[in-house]
Amino acid sequence: DIQMTQSPSSLSASVGDRVTITCQASQDISHYLNWYQQKPGKAPKVLIYDASNLETGVPSRFSGSGSGTDFTFTITSLQPEDIATYYCQQYNNLPLTFGQGTRLEIK
Amino acid sequence: QVQLQESGPGLVKPSQTLSLTCTVSGGSISSGSYYWSWIRQPAGKGLEWIGRMYTSGRTNYNPYFKSRVTISKDTPENQFSLRLSSVTAADTAVYYCAREAVRGVGGYYYYYMDVWGKGTTVTVSS
Repeated sequence: DIQMTQSPSSLSASVGDRVTITCQASQDISHYLNWYQQKPGKAPKVLIYDASNLETGVPSRFSGSGSGTDFTFTITSLQPEDIATYYCQQYNNLPLTFGQGTRLEIK
Repeated sequence: QVQLQESGPGLVKPSQTLSLTCTVSGGSISSGSYYWSWIRQPAGKGLEWIGRMYTSGRTNYNPYFKSRVTISKDTPENQFSLRLSSVTAADTAVYYCAREAVRGVGGYYYYYMDVWGKGTTVTVSS
């Protein structure tokens, strides 16, 4: 299985801050990576697909980049409604695997 | 707009079989380029992919579950189901069904779960 490692596991930031989360794959997954947002008690929601494509309707402050084994997810200006846990997910190989999640809190 | 809704028993005894159904509305499970998937999440933990079924009926399973898992569909009812046998307390989790879209052209494809159910909690306990 491909292991996905996110960093940090938790993060505290202020409204308006730039926030960056990284995701590292245990082997080359090309660009086959998605990012999801999960708010407490809710199902995950896709924000970024194929490493850098913004899903329709998702605010442009969210972005993704990277390829191979190293990926980055960025929120350019943190908003209160962005409080959530964020997961990366690879689809290069089966089984599909997720990172362990990054919990984002407001400082 | 496609919507998914999980249903099934919230309590299952150890060694028994967990059975969940996902009802799809607003679209057919037998058309389009989609996988119909099951994912679970133990309380306070991360997401774990269980398996999926393509619109054609072809299935893929997470080897972690070995032969315990079966995903099937009921086309007339527009539902797909999960069966997980020989459950233990470790199978206690929120179970989500999701649609995985297959998009792309010219041999370049990408896959992502674009529609999710709200999730259903299953507890394994005697």
